[in-house]
Amino acid sequence: SQQGEEDPQALSIQEGENATMNCSYKTSINNLQWYRQNSGRGLVHLILIRSNEREKHSGRLRVTLDTSKKSSSLLITASRAADTASYFCATDDRGSTLGRLYFGRGTQLTVWP
Amino acid sequence: DTGVSQDPRHKITKRGQNVTFRCDPISEHNRLYWYRQTLGQGPEFLTYFQNEAQLEKSRLLSDRFSAERPKGSFSTLEIQRTEQGDSAMYLCATRPGAHVYNEQFFGPGTRLTVL
Repeated sequence: SQQGEEDPQALSIQEGENATMNCSYKTSINNLQWYRQNSGRGLVHLILIRSNEREKHSGRLRVTLDTSKKSSSLLITASRAADTASYFCATDDRGSTLGRLYFGRGTQLTVWP
Repeated sequence: DTGVSQDPRHKITKRGQNVTFRCDPISEHNRLYWYRQTLGQGPEFLTYFQNEAQLEKSRLLSDRFSAERPKGSFSTLEIQRTEQGDSAMYLCATRPGAHVYNEQFFGPGTRLTVL
């Protein structure tokens, strides 16, 4: 299975602190994406990082990618209670152009006010 | 709101009944995906359409499941003779063109409960 795995499964922090989530995957990819999901809702796309990129920023988000270790991290700086959600990494398959995504089980982030 | 809509948002049905879900993609997106998500898990791929052609199906898509995308616009996912194990969130996602770096935009999902 190419399914990615997020670590930790659950993370609980105070507002203002930084949150770091990690993702590992198994095969070669074209890109890796991070999504956020509020309870019972659809997925919201956060950021996409290409396989030839090592770091990308978007607002309070910082994503790194290490293709040699097949791993990625998502850093949320200065967290807010509204950041409380599940976060998923999703990878594709470099050997395919169809674009199906493989998801891990996600990290449940809780930010306490 | 990503621009991808799904209907209905919630469906409660009795075991053995048939259900049909609809996904309306962003208009210029010719690629459409269906995923299923059970509680505590990430989404799992079910099937993929490029325009009206169904190009890939997961082994999760048993013969009770059928998906269509007539005219390459909206898509429907039908489950026949529903079972309790079909209870899940069914998510539709779309993306434009053929570039592998295009992100997928997800709809709000249809939550199915089979009693």
